[in-house]
Amino acid sequence: GAVVSQHPSRVICKSGTSVKIECRSLDFQATTMFWYRQFPKKSLMLMATSNEGSKATYEQGVEKDKFLINHASLTLSTLTVTSAHPEDSSFYICSAPAGQGVEAFFGQGTRLTVV
Amino acid sequence: ELKVEQNPLFLSMQEGKNYTIYCNYSTTSDRLYWYRQDPGKSLESLFVLLSNGAVKQEGRLMASLDTKARLSTLHITAAVHDLSATYFCAVGGWETSGSRLTFGEGTQLTVNP
Repeated sequence: GAVVSQHPSRVICKSGTSVKIECRSLDFQATTMFWYRQFPKKSLMLMATSNEGSKATYEQGVEKDKFLINHASLTLSTLTVTSAHPEDSSFYICSAPAGQGVEAFFGQGTRLTVV
Repeated sequence: ELKVEQNPLFLSMQEGKNYTIYCNYSTTSDRLYWYRQDPGKSLESLFVLLSNGAVKQEGRLMASLDTKARLSTLHITAAVHDLSATYFCAVGGWETSGSRLTFGEGTQLTVNP
């Protein structure tokens, strides 16, 4: 099946710094990717839709200047958490559609801890 | 706004028993997904249900979809400890960018020996 690779799997950063998370589709092209955030013992909340060749679409309440999304190619989307604060600590998961959009494949997730 | 509700949110059951997790959603949808999540891990795809009356089975898990009732069920047969995990249903639609999903709250399943 299709594989989505997310990197890093775990990162610790200091408050005020920026962190970049990569999401790659390894054996298929994805013009659209999705970024989700998950708090401990909670569900996944869609943050934004990453669109290759155009601006990302952010969900209501998500700060686009804080969570920068770049869909650099048909196989790579990046999420940069800028000026990170402890409240940005969370589990971030990307997904990409395959199989004509029917299947949703998820990356391994990134555990971000801001200290 | 699409809403997805799961119940129960917490389920503790004995090995060998059967139980059903329910997933209700608020608007018409074309696709219903079930995922499993282990602690600290990402999502593992279990089932994709695409049409009314769809039923899929894998091992001790069986999922069904009733689009008229806007209800999906995940039935667990003769539970074993290895099934302990959090189970999410998610709803998507053809009219949206492929696979944009709205998730239920999740059901935390614990199977006791």
